[in-house]
Amino acid sequence: GENVEQHPSTLSVQEGDSAVIKCTYSDSASNYFPWYKQELGKGPQLIIDIRSNVGEKKDQRIAVTLNKTAKHFSLHITETQPEDSAVYFCAAIGGFQKLVFGTGTRLLVSP
Amino acid sequence: DGGITQSPKYLFRKEGQNVTLSCEQNLNHDAMYWYRQDPGQGLRLIYYSQIVNDFQKGDIAEGYSVSREKKESFPLTVTSAQKNPTAFYLCASSMAIPQEQFFGPGTRLTVL
Repeated sequence: GENVEQHPSTLSVQEGDSAVIKCTYSDSASNYFPWYKQELGKGPQLIIDIRSNVGEKKDQRIAVTLNKTAKHFSLHITETQPEDSAVYFCAAIGGFQKLVFGTGTRLLVSP
Repeated sequence: DGGITQSPKYLFRKEGQNVTLSCEQNLNHDAMYWYRQDPGQGLRLIYYSQIVNDFQKGDIAEGYSVSREKKESFPLTVTSAQKNPTAFYLCASSMAIPQEQFFGPGTRLTVL
C-alpha cells in the first residue's frame, strides 16, 4: 500500500524566514496530495492541496510543489509568522482511495 | 454554522468498559471517517463510510466498531478488546472519496 514519509520532524525558524517541509510517497498512482495544519488540541485543518495534473500551487504565503517523477511533494511557507507555529501533516491518496498521512512536522517560529 | 462536531472533548473510562464517541456533521457529506492519533505520530484510519448503511475497515479496525444509520452521524465505539485505547480520536467527512476531508475538533480518550 501507500507509504508517506515526511521530513523534518521538527523545524525551527526565525520570524520572516521561509520554511520547507518535504514528503515522499510510494504509490505512483496517487493523484491527490493535501497539507494539513494542526494546532495544539485541535483537529487538522486543510491549508492547501494539489492534484497530480499540476506541478505547483500557491495561496498567499503558502505554496506546494509536486514532482511526480521523483514521487515527492513539498510545502513552502514564506515570511513565517509566530501564528504559523503548529504541526503540519502531508498526505497522499493510496489504495482504495484512502488518505495516508505522514508523521508530521512540528514548526516553531520564533519572534 | 456548518461543520463537524465531536463529543465529548475529553473522555475517561475504566479498563474493560466500552465507550462510544459521537461525530455529527451538517455539511451534507456522503463520506465520513474515524482516525486515531498518538503522540508524535500521524493519523491512522480506523473505519470509513462512503454512504449510509455502509462502512469499511481501515488500517487499525481491531477493537473498534461503527454504525452509519444516518447521513449526518458516524459514532465510534471503542470496545474492551482494544488493547491500547488511550489516544486522540478524530472524525472527518468529505463530499465523496477522494475529496477534501474536513476534520472535527477531536475527542481525547484516556483509559484509567
